[in-house]
Amino acid sequence: LAKTTQPISMDSYEGQEVNITCSHNNIATNDYITWYQQFPSQGPRFIIQGYKTKVTNEVASLFIPADRKSSTLSLPRVSLSDTAVYYCLVGDVDSSASKIIFGSGTRLSIRP
Amino acid sequence: DSGVTQTPKHLITATGQRVTLRCSPRSGDLSVYWYQQSLDQGLQFLIQYYNGEERAKGNILERFSAQQFPDLHSELNLSSLELGDSALYFCASSVGDERAGGGEQYFGPGTRLTVT
Repeated sequence: LAKTTQPISMDSYEGQEVNITCSHNNIATNDYITWYQQFPSQGPRFIIQGYKTKVTNEVASLFIPADRKSSTLSLPRVSLSDTAVYYCLVGDVDSSASKIIFGSGTRLSIRP
Repeated sequence: DSGVTQTPKHLITATGQRVTLRCSPRSGDLSVYWYQQSLDQGLQFLIQYYNGEERAKGNILERFSAQQFPDLHSELNLSSLELGDSALYFCASSVGDERAGGGEQYFGPGTRLTVT
């Protein structure tokens, strides 16, 4: 199971683009990369999932280089409400859910 | 609002007691997952049910058990409670059997359990 490494915390300002990088050096061929967002005392919320290259939805983009050993979650023009913990997950969609590991996440703080 | 409901929202009980946490998944979702989140352990996967059957087991203690009923709601039973069981317990649901890919799960608001 691929282990992920993320920065413990990041700070930014409203209106800026924020990029959070997740390292997963031993990612396997069948592994997907998934990002969740969690506000205090709330359950995590799915943001985006990808396998390779770039995935974009209405809230974020996910950039995955060719070697897939890392991925970057990009949040465009952040606001105060984007202050949260962001988790990077890596796992094989055909493996047991018992392999789901949320890790410590990245605590993102947005300032005015 | 994710569409997943959990009751109760808060629960305070004493050591040695037994409690039941309830989860109703989103309409149409067949999978239910239970997670425990404590300050020092992060978010830990406990167990998954898919259409009434246990599908995956994580770091769930023997004092804990769960089931998914024919109407797809799920209950997590915690017995012989200890101080260390104090945590937020989240239920999540998904349409299919979302496995280690961690693909789109919808989390409920959680139940905060305090054991005194």
